[in-house]
Amino acid sequence: QKEVEQNSGPLSVPEGAIASLNCTYSDRGSQSFFWYRQYSGKSPELIMFIYSNGDKEDGRFTAQLNKASQYVSLLIRDSQPSDSATYLCARTNAGNMLTFGGGTRLMVKP
Amino acid sequence: GAGVSQTPSNKVTEKGKYVELRCDPISGHTALYWYRQSLGQGPEFLIYFQGTGAADDSGLPNDRFFAVRPEGSVSTLKIQRTERGDSAVYLCARPRLKAGYFNQPQHFGDGTRLSIL
Repeated sequence: QKEVEQNSGPLSVPEGAIASLNCTYSDRGSQSFFWYRQYSGKSPELIMFIYSNGDKEDGRFTAQLNKASQYVSLLIRDSQPSDSATYLCARTNAGNMLTFGGGTRLMVKP
Repeated sequence: GAGVSQTPSNKVTEKGKYVELRCDPISGHTALYWYRQSLGQGPEFLIYFQGTGAADDSGLPNDRFFAVRPEGSVSTLKIQRTERGDSAVYLCARPRLKAGYFNQPQHFGDGTRLSIL
């Protein structure tokens, strides 16, 4: 079992819809969770981070963390074609290195 | 990008050659990370520096890989006797904040795309 798992997709949503991206992790010692967006040929770009159970909102993005169920999700409201990218979920534990999932490819269709 | 400069942006070399990849973070960051991303996968941790010393090198795949950071700023990742399987994008990252580096978000440089022929 991989430490961080994501559905590879592609997840296809129409423009203006809510995109829901999910991630599960196996290590209960995981402390911090991150969502990165990666456009083709570019490096990962941090879009959200969350440390505590519950929701964290930033503009059109909401990160949700449920430590009991060991999952993290990212909601993108009013999805735009420019949101089309691969979304990477990552976590840290007591160490400082990020452990990434394989990413979910999101396609937002006009 | 994001306060981390990586050079070269692309490197093509033949199997068996030696390569050096450079990472130059903005000043004041004592922590520095190296990751490797193969096509279609998420980045994988290689090594983490705290100042001049490697705090964790558990991600280096074998002894052909080595990294240094002699003055606590610029870091060089060195790969000896390169193999085709080393082809990947090598990413360098810094913590979001200069202090209190534990569990912080990290910001990535633009990466070096390494191709071994």
